[in-house]
Amino acid sequence: GEDVEQSLFLSVREGDSSVINCTYTDSSSTYLYWYKQEPGAGLQLLTYIFSNMDMKQDQRLTVLLNKKDKHLSLRIADTQTGDSAIYFCAERREYGNKLVFGAGTILRVKS
Amino acid sequence: DTEVTQTPKHLVMGMTNKKSLKCEQHMGHRAMYWYKQKAKKPPELMFVYSYEKLSINESVPSRFSPECPNSSLLNLHLHALQPEDSALYLCASSQGWGVTGELFFGEGSRLTVL
Repeated sequence: GEDVEQSLFLSVREGDSSVINCTYTDSSSTYLYWYKQEPGAGLQLLTYIFSNMDMKQDQRLTVLLNKKDKHLSLRIADTQTGDSAIYFCAERREYGNKLVFGAGTILRVKS
Repeated sequence: DTEVTQTPKHLVMGMTNKKSLKCEQHMGHRAMYWYKQKAKKPPELMFVYSYEKLSINESVPSRFSPECPNSSLLNLHLHALQPEDSALYLCASSQGWGVTGELFFGEGSRLTVL
């Protein structure tokens, strides 16, 4: 299909790890991104991965890419209450060079 | 300065009004974007400007009219909008269209059409 798919909601306890999953559609997408949006705010780029990589780590964030299954995940270690937000994955499609967003995953962190 | 600044933050307008949303960046980026985001939905691309020229128009109705007066500024002129156009309008910029695609977003302008 055309859509980038994400689960809608994830709830974790403070200090646990969070894993947010995404399935994208275009196997020729060159870059895949994770954005964070806090209430009433714009989107903040967290990290991105190039399609020839299968893993990228950046402090508490780990991105895993399974290109065969077109599956992307974001792991947040030691999740904090400040991580509560909506997380969007996005793919940059080769055709039209457009950034297409998933529906977003609401992460709620309980203290 | 790594900011994209949007004004106004909130705008309420009637269906016969003419208003404009403004966006500014001073990062030397040559690509600028307008996205529309409805509540609990992902952002949807409206327009892309590359080197001050309109590169992409995602079949947006003509009641939305973008303008890029120079490489730092992007406007969105609004006229005869409908209530369903109420949304958060996000401006973004990137180094270039088709580079890594890292987009820097503004905080958005929340538009309500009565």
